[in-house]
Amino acid sequence: GQNIDQPTEMTATEGAIVQINCTYQTSGFNGLFWYQQHAGEAPTFLSYNVLDGLEEKGRFSSFLSRSKGYSYLLLKELQMKDSASYLCAVRASLNDYKLSFGAGTTVTVRA
Amino acid sequence: NAGVTQTPKFRILKIGQSMTLQCAQDMNHNYMYWYRQDPGMGLKLIYYSVGAGITDKGEVPNGYNVSRSTTEDFPLRLELAAPSQTSVYFCASSEERSSYEQYFGPGTRLTVT
Repeated sequence: GQNIDQPTEMTATEGAIVQINCTYQTSGFNGLFWYQQHAGEAPTFLSYNVLDGLEEKGRFSSFLSRSKGYSYLLLKELQMKDSASYLCAVRASLNDYKLSFGAGTTVTVRA
Repeated sequence: NAGVTQTPKFRILKIGQSMTLQCAQDMNHNYMYWYRQDPGMGLKLIYYSVGAGITDKGEVPNGYNVSRSTTEDFPLRLELAAPSQTSVYFCASSEERSSYEQYFGPGTRLTVT
């Protein structure tokens, strides 16, 4: 099976930076995804990494190290609307388009 | 372009009843998925489909059935509902095998009592 771990909860102050870590042990690897899910809503796509390194998209960045089975999502200049659950998901192989999801990290942004 | 739509939004079932959760997408995506999400848990794949007429089991298929007669529609059938099936159900679709983004519907919140 696939094992994807991320912290359950994190709290940060408005304007600050938060880093959400994700470690994975999977049968193979062909990409890591981050989704944002506000309470009571559907997940929405944030980022995708398939090669090592940092991908930056506005206030959000995502990093991948395939050798360490590790990724993080960095949220900068936190806003109240960033309070949500952040899901890490792994695609195990090129021929396997299914995603395996972690349990999600709930981020609470406080004023 | 409505994306992925799901009906109903909410439903309460009695134990032993059956129902069908509807899912449709208008993006001409070949790949479609059904997930369930329990409180504090990630998404668990129930069934998926790579195109009309082709379906396969995911991680947690027991108690569910699916069909895919058209590209657009991917209904999920619950037979003999049990309290363990109380969950939020999400349908999703993606474009091609190499696509990295899954588009999710708004979800159906199901309670079995």
